[in-house]
Amino acid sequence: GDSVTQMEGPVTLSEEAFLTINCTYTATGYPSLFWYVQYPGEGLQLLLKATKADDKGSNKGFEATYRKETTSFHLEKGSVQVSDSAVYFCALSDRGFKTIFGAGTRLFVKA
Amino acid sequence: EPEVTQTPSHQVTQMGQEVILRCVPISNHLYFYWYRQILGQKVEFLVSFYNNEISEKSEIFDDQFSVERPDGSNFTLKIRSTKLEDSAMYFCASSEGQGAYNEQFFGPGTRLTVL
Repeated sequence: GDSVTQMEGPVTLSEEAFLTINCTYTATGYPSLFWYVQYPGEGLQLLLKATKADDKGSNKGFEATYRKETTSFHLEKGSVQVSDSAVYFCALSDRGFKTIFGAGTRLFVKA
Repeated sequence: EPEVTQTPSHQVTQMGQEVILRCVPISNHLYFYWYRQILGQKVEFLVSFYNNEISEKSEIFDDQFSVERPDGSNFTLKIRSTKLEDSAMYFCASSEGQGAYNEQFFGPGTRLTVL
C-alpha cells in the first residue's frame, strides 16, 4: 500500500542554519504531497503542498519540490528561526479517502 | 477563513465509559474523516465518511467505534467502551471532494485521556 518515509529526528539546528528534512513516498497512483506542521500542544497545520510532478510548494520560507523520478518531497528552508521548532509531517493523498502520514520529524532550533 | 472546529479540546474519561467527540466540518465540504495520533507517534487514519456512509475504514476502526452525522453540521466519533490504549489526540478533517487534488482541512484536535 501507499506509504511515506521521512528522516528520523530530532533535528537540532542553530538559528539561521539551513534545514532539510527528507521525505520519500510509495504510491500506486499519482498522489498529492503535503507537509504539515504541528507546534507544541497544537493541531495539524498545512504548511505546503504540491499536486503534480515538478511542482514546488512554498510557504513561510519553506519549500519542497515534487520529484516523481526519485519519489521524494524533501522540505527545505534557507534560514530557520527558533519559532520554527515543531514536528513536521510529510504526507500523501492518493484516491482521496485518506491522507497517509510519515512518522514526523521533530525540529529544535536553538537561539 | 472557514475552519474545522472540534469539541471538547480535552476529554478525560474512565476506562469502559462511552465518549463522543464532536466536529463541525467546513460548511460546503462533503467528505469527512477522523484520524488519531497516539502521543509521540504518527497520525493514523481511522475512517472516512460520505453521503451518510463510511467510505473507508482502517483496521483500528473496530466495532467499538462509530461515526455519525446527526444533523447538517456536526460529525461525531463515538467510542463505545473506552480502553486505556484509546488515549490519543483525535483529529477531524473535511474536504470538498475526493481524490488527490482535494485538500483535507484538519481541526485542532481533541485530546482523549482514558484513566
